[in-house]
Amino acid sequence: AQSVSQHNHHVILSEAASLELGCNYSYGGTVNLFWYVQYPGQHLQLLLKYFSGDPLVKGIKGFEAEFIKSKFSFNLRKPSVQWSDTAEYFCAVRYYNTDKLIFGTGTRLQVFP
Amino acid sequence: GAVVSQHPSWVICKSGTSVKIECRSLDFQATTMFWYRQFPKQSLMLMATSNEGSKATYEQGVEKDKFLINHASLTLSTLTVTSAHPEDSSFYICSAQTGVEQFFGPGTRLTVL
Repeated sequence: AQSVSQHNHHVILSEAASLELGCNYSYGGTVNLFWYVQYPGQHLQLLLKYFSGDPLVKGIKGFEAEFIKSKFSFNLRKPSVQWSDTAEYFCAVRYYNTDKLIFGTGTRLQVFP
Repeated sequence: GAVVSQHPSWVICKSGTSVKIECRSLDFQATTMFWYRQFPKQSLMLMATSNEGSKATYEQGVEKDKFLINHASLTLSTLTVTSAHPEDSSFYICSAQTGVEQFFGPGTRLTVL
């Protein structure tokens, strides 16, 4: 079955620390990959996406993610987090044979000043 | 651009009543809209895919007679929770697709007493 897993359920960091959130998906052929962020009380916003080409993609607010096809992974990174990055982060996958997005379980990030 | 609105943002109703939630794409036309349900501290679970002018496609385990979806125009989809029960209390989120990207609404918090 098509699925997405996020290994980190809750991450707590101090400001300026580096961040890496894991995301793995089950094999199912060609995929589009997404990271969304949900700030407290707000709707889901797209951080970045990968469709094809350079496997290292850069998104908004200093985030980046690397697609490693051999590992079925799309990990999210940020070199130096800020308090304002406190939010829920969701990885999502869209397989080419469907329009549906399959979401991971989410990672709650708390950044302390 | 690419703004999706939902109305109402929150609703409280008595058990046994029906509740309608609207999802609108404000500045683009969406042939496909999606309805999700999000439980506290959990991920988004796709309920159904709604295509303009045709019947919605429901995910396995979602009762189509309970969650009625109407996609009457390219900018409006509605979800009606019929004969609501306390276990239907949840956060309902819609998204509208343009191209291969989905844009999400702010969600509707439903509480059934």
